[in-house]
Amino acid sequence: QVQLQESGPGLVKPSQTLSLTCTVSGGSIRSGGYYWSWIRQHPGKALEWIGYIYYSGNAYSNPSLKSRVSISVDTSKNQFSLRLNSVTAADTAVYYCARGVSTDDYFNSWGQGTLVTVSS
Amino acid sequence: QSVLTQPPSVSGAPGQGVTISCTGSSSNIGAGYNVNWYVRLPGTAPKLLIYVNTNRPSGVPERFSGSKSGTSASLAITGLQAEDGADYFCQSYDSSLSGVVFGGGTKLTVL
Repeated sequence: QVQLQESGPGLVKPSQTLSLTCTVSGGSIRSGGYYWSWIRQHPGKALEWIGYIYYSGNAYSNPSLKSRVSISVDTSKNQFSLRLNSVTAADTAVYYCARGVSTDDYFNSWGQGTLVTVSS
Repeated sequence: QSVLTQPPSVSGAPGQGVTISCTGSSSNIGAGYNVNWYVRLPGTAPKLLIYVNTNRPSGVPERFSGSKSGTSASLAITGLQAEDGADYFCQSYDSSLSGVVFGGGTKLTVL
């Protein structure tokens, strides 16, 4: 059973860069048929897809965030990471990492989520 | 404003059934993209409940079922149990937004 765990600072200052890492255990990030995704939920709002990456390094992101998002993968560490530039208070959210099934676009494993607050 | 619309809350007594709707448009559900459902208990990771419209992952009780028609989908839960009280949300793909989209979530209260 694959497990995912987010890690990173819980507090980021406005205009700085939010950086999170997701560590995958119980399975290889190189497994075929999956992509590795970041999803967030603002307080009291719907989930928002941020983007995903294949182990090959091909990444795709939400057009509304694309200019600020960078997703990378480190197969040697079984990890993938999110960087979100120029954050504002509107980026305060619970951030989840998840494994997606590429053929049908659903997420069959999720991390517990980590709250990131943007505040000075 | 979510791309997929769900009722904010539903409720039912133990043993009864409820249905949660997920309404989309011609660029997502109506375009033929699959609908998936997730459940999240407070403080826990979201869990896949239904995938590709009607399929249950291993371990999900038969009390949970999904359906899809036109631009909408539904999650039906029969024989409500106290532990079903949670947040449920739907997910699909949207071609005009070029990405995955979610519903706003529905809070199920078991009375």
